[in-house]
Amino acid sequence: DVKVTQSSRYLVKRTGEKVFLECVQDMDHENMFWYRQDPGLGLRLIYFSYDVKMKEKGDIPEGYSVSREKKERFSLILESASTNQTSMYLCASSILSGANVLTFGAGSRLTVL
Amino acid sequence: QKEVEQNSGPLSVPEGAIASLNCTYSDRVSQSFFWYRQYSGKSPELIMSIYSNGDKEDGRFTAQLNKASQYVSLLIRDSQPSDSATYLCAVNPDSSYKLIFGSGTRLLVRP
Repeated sequence: DVKVTQSSRYLVKRTGEKVFLECVQDMDHENMFWYRQDPGLGLRLIYFSYDVKMKEKGDIPEGYSVSREKKERFSLILESASTNQTSMYLCASSILSGANVLTFGAGSRLTVL
Repeated sequence: QKEVEQNSGPLSVPEGAIASLNCTYSDRVSQSFFWYRQYSGKSPELIMSIYSNGDKEDGRFTAQLNKASQYVSLLIRDSQPSDSATYLCAVNPDSSYKLIFGSGTRLLVRP
């Protein structure tokens, strides 16, 4: 089975802290994605990457950055966390030709105080 | 803004009934449509995809697509309590890497 592993299941951070969310997939998928999920708003795409060192903005990139130095790893960075970034963050991956067939990680629930 | 709309529910059906979940989308040129299931506290998993008008069946699940009316639906026959989850409709509007998700419909199947 494809595994998408997110490093932290629950995080509590303070306003202004720098936050790193790590995601690793083990099936050599080209595409990787970061979504956030909020009640009533569904999943919203923050960033995605289709290759090492390549990244594209999604619908809500403000306040976030990403890093993809290796094919299997995609990191989401909150440079200065704010309370409105409290959310569930979901990482996903897919093969290049199957960009819409996403395999998700278990999620990282971030609380910013 | 391209949108995908779903009734948030909960949709409550008795065990053994047919559950009908609906989704409308705003972008007329959308080509690919997906249903993901998300159990409480878990991550979404793909259950159906549909690309052409009409019905597509997979076991107890049937996806229906009507591009002219811009809706896609999911029917679950012989609903089981284990089907209780939130069902997310997703649309690929332009054959890019992006999926636009609806906010989901919560389904409750009563024993």
